[in-house]
Amino acid sequence: QQQVKQSPQSLIVQKGGISIINCAYENTAFDYFPWYQQFPGKGPALLIAIRPDVSEKKEGRFTISFNKSAKQFSLHIMDSQPGDSATYFCAAYHGGNTPLVFGKGTRLSVIA
Amino acid sequence: GAVVSQHPSRVICKSGTSVKIECRSLDFQATTMFWYRQFPKQSLMLMATSNEGSKATYEQGVEKDKFLINHASLTLSTLTVTSAHPEDSSFYICSASQGAYYGYTFGSGTRLTVV
Repeated sequence: QQQVKQSPQSLIVQKGGISIINCAYENTAFDYFPWYQQFPGKGPALLIAIRPDVSEKKEGRFTISFNKSAKQFSLHIMDSQPGDSATYFCAAYHGGNTPLVFGKGTRLSVIA
Repeated sequence: GAVVSQHPSRVICKSGTSVKIECRSLDFQATTMFWYRQFPKQSLMLMATSNEGSKATYEQGVEKDKFLINHASLTLSTLTVTSAHPEDSSFYICSASQGAYYGYTFGSGTRLTVV
């Protein structure tokens, strides 16, 4: 049973456009939702994260929107650049020394 | 920021030999580290949870005797792939946390190729 569902699998966006990746979770015990960016041959890097007590968090061009009632959260990349081309993973966590639960990933390609 | 160092980044070994991968938290202590395996174009698959001073907890389907995990100190966890075979070829990644809600930091990964 997949606990975090991520869509789309792949995404092509024009340079300067907005990239939107969506995730949905099932376990209401999750209380920390990070997004990771991974380039080929590298480990994932934490991009931005949110707790469920806020509905939105913005860091530079990256924004997380969180809808607790719908159990959904999304990543918006404003003014997308070719350097943003990577695989993005949403994840969820419910405290203690438990591992992150990852979505399946979205391969983003930003074309000029 | 938190840094997790993983070595080697790439290793090629002959079938039947063993390979050790190290994961170090450089600027924080990590009581728990995680080991993942990633196949091309797929998500991270959790292999095991490594706890300092105790036995690792393996996910279902992961062979404990093939993938030996040791977490001898608060800053070092190792994964040893024993008697490696070509099907063990993969990208292995470790991660560690400074503590709850600080985020999990990942190593840069190790590309293992067994020939």
